[in-house]
Amino acid sequence: GENVEQHPSTLSVQEGDSAVIKCTYSDSASNYFPWYKQELGKRPQLIIDIRSNVGEKKDQRIAVTLNKTAKHFSLHITETQPEDSAVYFCAASSSNTGKLIFGQGTTLQVKP
Amino acid sequence: NAGVMQNPRHLVRRRGQEARLRCSPMKGHSHVYWYRQLPEEGLKFMVYLQKENIIDESGMPKERFSAEFPKEGPSILRIQQVVRGDSAAYFCASSQVQGGYEQYFGPGTRLTVT
Repeated sequence: GENVEQHPSTLSVQEGDSAVIKCTYSDSASNYFPWYKQELGKRPQLIIDIRSNVGEKKDQRIAVTLNKTAKHFSLHITETQPEDSAVYFCAASSSNTGKLIFGQGTTLQVKP
Repeated sequence: NAGVMQNPRHLVRRRGQEARLRCSPMKGHSHVYWYRQLPEEGLKFMVYLQKENIIDESGMPKERFSAEFPKEGPSILRIQQVVRGDSAAYFCASSQVQGGYEQYFGPGTRLTVT
């Protein structure tokens, strides 16, 4: 069935360092890959997304890469700041179904 | 431009009671998705609805759970005869079109079953 694996489950970095979170998906029909940031007790917030016809997308300090052949996609955060500390979820979706299949989440801690 | 609205934000029910969770999508959005987040866990898809239609309910438990999105009014997720294991945060999300497009989440309803 459809599955998204996310690693690592926890990540601790020093302020200013980079953070990388990786996901793999199983459904070949997946063509949309969003990333959400969730702070404690809050809603998931869409921070960046990528579609299958693009290999890389960047928005200021955040970038996402997609390797469709290997079914991998990754989130890169550069120059991390304490306010980047949160749980990050990757997800995959296809045009056929619409539903998001989420990874297990990565708790990112940025130490000042 | 109001975002996705959910109410109530917090709901306490005793075992055996019914819980009704409501979701109003963003203006212009006709696709609604419900997700459940158990404590310390990720988000799991439950059901996908368009106006007056259930498109995909593959994530819904077979018993006690139902959902609707009437022609007028909010989408409703109904849980009958709640049990302690139903305690979770229930989020709805809306999108403008099906699949492959941004889904925006509401603030969630935190259900506690005592």
